[in-house]
Amino acid sequence: EAGVVQSPRYKIIEKKQPVAFWCNPISGHNTLYWYRQNLGQGPELLIRYENEEAVDDSQLPKDRFSAERLKGVDSTLKIQPAELGDSAVYLCASSSQGFYGYTFGSGTRLTVV
Amino acid sequence: AQTVTQSQPEMSVQEAETVTLSCTYDTSESDYYLFWYKQPPSRQMILVIRQEAYKQQNATENRFSVNFQKAAKSFSLKISDSQLGDAAMYFCAYRSAGTDYGNKLVFGAGTILRVKS
Repeated sequence: EAGVVQSPRYKIIEKKQPVAFWCNPISGHNTLYWYRQNLGQGPELLIRYENEEAVDDSQLPKDRFSAERLKGVDSTLKIQPAELGDSAVYLCASSSQGFYGYTFGSGTRLTVV
Repeated sequence: AQTVTQSQPEMSVQEAETVTLSCTYDTSESDYYLFWYKQPPSRQMILVIRQEAYKQQNATENRFSVNFQKAAKSFSLKISDSQLGDAAMYFCAYRSAGTDYGNKLVFGAGTILRVKS
């Protein structure tokens, strides 16, 4: 079984530019999460989807961040415009209903210069 | 809100020796789950071990075991017979069993484990 797939693996952009990250969860997993991990810290939840619905986006900076999960499968996280403080690793994870553990992807390391 | 604290930024262990990583958490809930994740330089979060709060018995997975002290809100990880491949960042994480917080994981700041040959 394929794991959670994220792309790109690395991204370097100039500040004020847009950037997008893509996540393909494990087949059949209805819950999808985006976490941000700053250097030397633990991940923090940005948004959680149950199928197509964003059920917890309280930590998502909505002025510049947006996310979507069309058809309840793949998801895209976008930042526009990027700021220097957005440099971090963006992790995607998925889980099946009722299961209390996650499967994480390898993340995208974003560097804003 | 729940918080997770890992007070050891970095730990070192000699190969084949035993090391214990500390974790404390704060919650007012009685039912929850606790996890230890390993994050190597590849960045992928790998589940090491999990514990249900309603279970008194400490979880064990091969060389990994936990010491779960519910009253003290402590959840330490013991790695026996340490191997070079154990070197990584280790995160302690909490998840509520209730529905208010969904499946949100709350992570500690992590502990870097170095294994010396």
